[in-house]
Parts: sequence; C-alpha cells; structure tokens
Amino acid sequence: GAVVSQHPSRVICKSGTSVKIECRSLDFQATTMFWYRQFPKKSLMLMATSNEGSKATYEQGVEKDKFLINHASLTLSTLTVTSAHPEDSSFYICSARVERSEQYFGPGTRLTVT
Amino acid sequence: QKEVEQDPGPLSVPEGAIVSLNCTYSNSAFQYFMWYRQYSRKGPELLMYTYSSGNKEDGRFTAQVDKSSKYISLFIRDSQPSDSATYLCAMSAKGLYDMRFGAGTRLTVKP
Repeated sequence: GAVVSQHPSRVICKSGTSVKIECRSLDFQATTMFWYRQFPKKSLMLMATSNEGSKATYEQGVEKDKFLINHASLTLSTLTVTSAHPEDSSFYICSARVERSEQYFGPGTRLTVT
Repeated sequence: QKEVEQDPGPLSVPEGAIVSLNCTYSNSAFQYFMWYRQYSRKGPELLMYTYSSGNKEDGRFTAQVDKSSKYISLFIRDSQPSDSATYLCAMSAKGLYDMRFGAGTRLTVKP
C-alpha cells in the first residue's frame, strides 16, 4: 500500500512557541491531504482538508490562524501550530489520498506543549 | 447525538477467544463502513470495509453491516496477542475517504 510519513514523530515545545509538522506521501502524489487530531479514548477529529495549491478547508471550531496548513506540492503538506499552549498537546495524524482512492494515514506526531 | 458511537473499552480477552466489536451511527447517508486498526503511537491502517449492508469475511475477520438498525460489527475469530490494538470504525457517504470515526475500542488479547 501507499506510504505516508510524518516528521517529527514526537515534539516537545514551550508554551508560546510555534511548531511545524510535515506530512509526505512517499510513493504517490496526493491530490488531497487531511489533518486529524486524536485525544485519548476519543475519535479522530478532522481538523482540515487541503488540496494542492489551494487554501485549506477547516472544520467548524478549528482556528485557522492557530493551525496553519500549507499544501505546497502533491507530496507535502505542513501543519504549523502557532503560539502553542498546553491544551494543544495531542496526537496529530495526517492522511493523504489521490482521486477516487482510499485515504492512507501517517504514523502520527505526538505534540507536548510545556 | 454523535454521528458514530463506539465503546472505547478497554476490552481484554484470552488468546483464542472470539472478539466482537461494534458501532452505531445516526447518519442514514453513510454507505461505506470501514474498520481501521491502530497500534500504539501509530496511524490507523485500513483492515476491511463493506459497502452498504451485508457481511464480508477476510481470514479471521468478519465485518457485518445492518443498515436498518444502523449497527455495524467486526468479529475476530481465534484472537491472537498480535491483534492487540485499538480498532476504530469509520463511515462515509462518499467512499473510503471523508469519513467519520468512532472513538476506537482498545483490545488486549492475553496469551
């Protein structure tokens, strides 16, 4: 199956700083990428959907200015958590797909804000 | 009411047991029903999916969908310690994408 990677796998940052998470489709070109957030014992919550070269579409309740998404190429999307706070600590998972195919998920990034 | 409901468990069974996992949903538009397996600190991987109602079998795994009751199930026969993971149900009206997830049930199979 297709492979999606994320970097870093784990990051710790101080409150008030920004952190960037990368998502790459390694062996296919993704027309659409998704960003999810997962809390313990909770569903994967879709944060936003992005198409290459277009602005991301954010789900209701997700702050666009706090969670900046860039989908600059067909193989790379980035999520930047700006001015991070402890409540932003979570497991962030990206997913990618090509038209008319399934979504493939990355391994996730554990963010801890101290 | 959440679109997809799933008991987060945890569920612990002895090796060789039959495991039953299930989800309920409220959105009648859902046509694609998926089960993902997620190991600790990893992303979800698609285990199997069913379109519309009916059963689907893949080795030790059987997925069932009852659209009239808005209820789906995943059965694992002869469970193995390697089956220990979190199982998430997911549903979509469009395809194997743009899905809504259940909370995931954490399963432990003890040797």
